[in-house]
Amino acid sequence: QITLKESGPTLVKPTQTLTLTCTFSGFSLSTSGVGVGWIRQPPGKALEWLALIYWNDDKRYSPSLKSRLTITKDTSKNQVVLTMTNMDPVDTATYYCAHRLKVGATCWFDPWGQGTLVTVSS
Amino acid sequence: QSVLTQPPSASGTPGQRVTISCSGSSSNIGSNTVNWYQQLPGTAPKLLIYSNNQRPSGVPDRFSGSKSGTSASLAISGLQSEDEADYYCAAWDDSLNALFGGGTKLTVL
Repeated sequence: QITLKESGPTLVKPTQTLTLTCTFSGFSLSTSGVGVGWIRQPPGKALEWLALIYWNDDKRYSPSLKSRLTITKDTSKNQVVLTMTNMDPVDTATYYCAHRLKVGATCWFDPWGQGTLVTVSS
Repeated sequence: QSVLTQPPSASGTPGQRVTISCSGSSSNIGSNTVNWYQQLPGTAPKLLIYSNNQRPSGVPDRFSGSKSGTSASLAISGLQSEDEADYYCAAWDDSLNALFGGGTKLTVL
């Protein structure tokens, strides 16, 4: 059974850097084809993909946020870390991590973590 | 503004069939598969349909997906009150970026 759980601060101040950790079990991020992604959702708004890291350490970032994001993995700890710099109140959202599965030429996020709400306020 | 366009809302009465559309372009839906996620109130999204029309284990066959060209659709037949949720389409673009639609809030009247 695959599970993921997000952890990190619930409150950050504007201009600060946010660091979130996704701790997972039930799969290995060293297995070919596997990835872990981060997705966020502002209150009452839509999902927005942020970043993705693959088993081979390849990384992808949302073009609109690329300059502010860094994603890394620690395979031995089964963790993926996302950092976002220069936080702003508009970054207030629930942040999810999710397991990305690839089968043939198709892929999807499943399952997702429960999410963690991050509020940006002074 | 999401790259994948969905109607913001949809509704139906119990037992009805409803469809939710998702419109993209040749660089995303037109050349890659579509997935659908269901988000019940206060919960994390859950995979509902993958690879255009495949249901994960445990998803009722009342839910079905289809794709044609640069658009996709989610159909829910025999609508039930428990289906009231937000539904998101998703796809990948040719640069391997993940995309989500703006979401559709389904109300069961």
